[in-house]
This record gives sequence, structure tokens and C-alpha cells, in this order.
Amino acid sequence: NAGVTQTPKFRILKIGQSMTLQCTQDMNHNYMYWYRQDPGMGLKLIYYSVGAGITDKGEVPNGYNVSRSTTEDFPLRLELAAPSQTSVYFCASRPEGMSTEAFFGQGTRLTVV
Amino acid sequence: GEDVEQSLFLSVREGDSSVINCTYTDSSSTYLYWYKQEPGAGLQLLTYIFSNMDMKQDQRLTVLLNKKDKHLSLRIADTQTGDSAIYFCAEKAGTALIFGKGTTLSVSS
Repeated sequence: NAGVTQTPKFRILKIGQSMTLQCTQDMNHNYMYWYRQDPGMGLKLIYYSVGAGITDKGEVPNGYNVSRSTTEDFPLRLELAAPSQTSVYFCASRPEGMSTEAFFGQGTRLTVV
Repeated sequence: GEDVEQSLFLSVREGDSSVINCTYTDSSSTYLYWYKQEPGAGLQLLTYIFSNMDMKQDQRLTVLLNKKDKHLSLRIADTQTGDSAIYFCAEKAGTALIFGKGTTLSVSS
């Protein structure tokens, strides 16, 4: 029962490098989300998707891109990494419905140096 | 816009009750949630309450909702050391969840 799987768990990037954070879920959920968590700042929504082919910006989308070509996968792309993007990134998914629970991955800890 | 506020820290002794408070600003929120995050892990849903309810009880957890004041609280009875974690209040805004900054609960024995 995998749930939401994020890879990698840890990564160190140099300024200006690019990378893709992977997220996949096996629960056939339509809704998927990317959050970043900074100490004392809670979770900020970066991007979300309500289904394959549909994505939308959240609160802090600058410096990131996403795609949703399948229901299962929702990768987050950093094109030109900056120190301000050092954070813990969480992917989440949930089915449609008003009261439904969001399921979170274990997180990706990214450091940009 | 939506904003969810929580106090950042709470320290209690084992066996005491813990009360974590939250205020939110979007009066149209239909569901409000409490999530728990243990060190190095993702968030897990603890409980949620529908906006037409005042209270919800689930074993050691009691959620109180004051819709007039947009105030939500989570009471943990007989707090244990295993309850030490960060607790996030969240409200549903459209299709997304908006989270507070989280309250770090420290339980001493």
C-alpha cells in the first residue's frame, strides 16, 4: 500500500542547477498538491492539480513548474535553483469530495548552496 | 485572503490536557482540519470538523469550533510523550488546503 511516494528524500543542489522532484500516488486521486515547509512558516502551497492535464498556481509558484500528464504523477521542476528554495517539499493527494483527507508523502529535503 | 493563525509552541506535562488554538479568516470554509507531523515525517490527518458542527469528539481528541469568532481548538486529553509533534490547523479553500504555521507540542514526563 504505497500511497504517496516522493523521490528523492534528500538532495543538495548548486545555485543555478535544475532538478525535478518526483511525486506519484497509487490511489487514483484526482487532486494533487505541492507544498514547501520552512521552519516556523507552516506549509505554503506552490502548485496544485485537479486532474490530468490541469494545473494551477498556489501561493508561492515563482521559480517552479509542474506538469500532470497522468493521474498518478505530479512532478515539480526547479529550473534555476536559488538558496531561497532551500526547504522541505511535500507532495499530497486526495480524492474529490468535501471532507476527504489529504495524504502526504514523506517529503524531499532540498538544500541549495 | 485566507490566513490561518496558531501559536507556535505549547509545553505540557504527561497526563495533562493540551489545548491548541487556531483562528482562520475565510468564513466560507466548510471543513476545518487538524494534522499531526512527527519529526522527519509527512503530515497525517488527525481529525476534521464540518462547519455546521460546534464540537466533535474522537477518543482523546476534542475539537471545538466557534464559527462566529472563526476560532478552532484541539484538546488532547491525558497527553502522552508520543503526542509530541507539530500540529497544523488547516482550512479548505476551494480545492486546496491552507495551513497554519503549526504548533509544536512538547510533552515532558
